[in-house]
Amino acid sequence: GQNIDQPTEMTATEGAIVQINCTYQTSGFNGLFWYQQHAGEAPTFLSYNVLDGLEEKGRFSSFLSRSKGYSYLLLKELQMKDSASYLCAVMDSNYQLIWGAGTKLIIKP
Amino acid sequence: DAGITQSPRYKITETGRQVTLMCHQTWSHSYMFWYRQDLGHGLRLIYYSAAADITDKGEVPDGYVVSRSKTENFPLTLESATRSQTSVYFCASRVDSFANTGELFFGEGSRLTVL
Repeated sequence: GQNIDQPTEMTATEGAIVQINCTYQTSGFNGLFWYQQHAGEAPTFLSYNVLDGLEEKGRFSSFLSRSKGYSYLLLKELQMKDSASYLCAVMDSNYQLIWGAGTKLIIKP
Repeated sequence: DAGITQSPRYKITETGRQVTLMCHQTWSHSYMFWYRQDLGHGLRLIYYSAAADITDKGEVPDGYVVSRSKTENFPLTLESATRSQTSVYFCASRVDSFANTGELFFGEGSRLTVL
C-alpha cells in the first residue's frame, strides 16, 4: 500500500530552527510537496521537490532523497506565525497526491 | 481575484438529508478535486475531475456524487448524509501543464456536521 509518515506534533522555540521529516512509500514518484495549514484554514503550497537535493526559499528549505524515500522541511528563524500544521504529499505514478496526516508545529516564545 | 470559493462555509444537517457543497473557481483550471479532512488522517480524495463532464472516483467516493457541467463549478452532493460524513471538505484546483509544479489551490473549506 501507499504510505506517508510524518511526526504528529513538534514543539520549537521562537528564533530557533526546526526540521520536519517525511518518509514515503508510494506507487511511483512524480514529486513531493509541502503545504502549510493554519488552524481553521486551507492548506497553502510551500515547496515542491522532484530531484534529489535541497530547495531553498527564504526561511524555508525542503530536501529530498528519492533513494531513501525521505524528505524534510527545514524552518529557520522561527516566528510565532509559523505555528501551523505542515502537510507532506507525494504525487504517485497516476499523478494523484498521497497525503501524510500532517505535523502540528507549536512555537513557544 | 476571487480564486476558488466554497459554499456554504458551515453546515449542520441531519442524518438522511441531502446536502450539496458548492465549489467555484475563476482561473479556468482543468483539474478540480474534493477532499475531506479528519483528525488523524491526511487529506483523502473523494472525487476529482480532469475537465468538464469528466469525473473519476478517488479514495473514499462512497456516499458522494459529483458533477461538472461547467469548467468553473464542481459541486459535491451527499445523497443521504451519515454521521461518518461529518468532516471538513476542501475543494481544490490545479493547472494542467508540464510547465507547472502541479500545486493545488484550495478553497476555504466547508465544515459539515451531520447530527
